[in-house]
Order: sequence, then structure tokens, then C-alpha cells
Amino acid sequence: DAGITQSPRHKVTETGTPVTLRCHQTENHRYMYWYRQDPGHGLRLIHYSYGVKDTDKGEVSDGYSVSRSKTEDFLLTLESATSSQTSVYFCAIGGTSGPRWTQYFGPGTRLLVL
Amino acid sequence: AQTVTQSQPEMSVQEAETVTLSCTYDTSESDYYLFWYKQPPSRQMILVIRQEAYKQQNATENRFSVNFQKAAKSFSLKISDSQLGDAAMYFCAYGVGAQKLVFGQGTRLTINP
Repeated sequence: DAGITQSPRHKVTETGTPVTLRCHQTENHRYMYWYRQDPGHGLRLIHYSYGVKDTDKGEVSDGYSVSRSKTEDFLLTLESATSSQTSVYFCAIGGTSGPRWTQYFGPGTRLLVL
Repeated sequence: AQTVTQSQPEMSVQEAETVTLSCTYDTSESDYYLFWYKQPPSRQMILVIRQEAYKQQNATENRFSVNFQKAAKSFSLKISDSQLGDAAMYFCAYGVGAQKLVFGQGTRLTINP
């Protein structure tokens, strides 16, 4: 299994509060991603990073920001949480296994915004 | 924009039988990757199998194989000798290089003992 951890694994928060989710990898992969999973939508990309301090938006980036100050850590911040951000959040890392590109996923964080 | 469609929200199969999950995608790229991920109740996303578009040979991983039809933009997953542990949500995904993966909506597979 790829060395990816996410913290916290579960979180309940109130509308309007800031929330930060952490993704940590031990694989030294350059690419890291944040997805959210909602019923009927599969997984959708929020933001991704292609190196330290290099990030870009995905298709559902509104209300989220990210930071990557070290290769191994990728943080996702909800500046002011809303009920629509209740979801399961997955971090992924992208790299090659031999010549083949693959994304590997962390265990997920379940976030409930009340 | 690239899209991935899984037209079967739910499928069921008898244990030990074979089942095929369907996936179609839309892209203008010629070089890309396709994946099937399994998500059991634990929610962990587990890579099942991957296919490079430039390879004509269909990928195989033990009991899992794909039928990749590039011209038809079709990428189906065949599970042979189904086992109870195969019960899960299965997601088809498309990717180009290091860019994001685009996922289908998923197919829930039930294995009947």
C-alpha cells in the first residue's frame, strides 16, 4: 500500500468555522491531489499540486484553498465551512510504478458540517 | 471536457460466476490512461487494474481483466469467479499524464452466495 495518511479521519464542525485537512505521504511523489466524494458524483477534483508551493484548481475549488510547503504534506482548508461541504475527502498521490502512471488514494476523511 | 459514464448503477452476480461492468468515456486525446478502482465499505479506494491507451493488449490482473475498445471509447471490467470479497463500489476513471482523474459515477456490485 502507498504510504498516505489523512488527518483527521472524521470531523464534525459548525457552519462558518475554518477547517484544515492534512494529507501526508512517505512516497516522495511530486503530485498530490484533493478530491471530494458525494453520492451520484463519484470523485471530483478540488485542487492539486505539482510541486512544493505549486498548486492549481480543480473543477470544484470554490470555498477551498490548499498549501504545500513540503513535499510530503498537502493541506486542504475550508475557509468558512458550509453544509454543502459535508462530504468525504480523499487525498491522492500521483507517480509512476515502473513506467506506468497511477494515482494512489489515502483512507479518506469524513466531514460533517452542521 | 472529458467525461466518464458508468451506465449500470447496480449489478449483482452469483458467487463463482462472471460479471462485466461497463464504462464509456469521451476524449479527444490519443494518449491517456484508464483505471478501475474498487471501494469496499471501508471507503478505501483500491486500484484494481489500469490500461494505457497506446497498448492494444487488454490488461489482466488475476481474476480481473478489461476489454479496451479505443475506437469505441469503451473500457469494461470483467470479474471472473466472483468472490464475496469482490462486493464493492467500482469506479472507472480516465487520466492524461499527471493531470487529474475523471471518475464515473460508480457501479455497486453485489455478490450473491
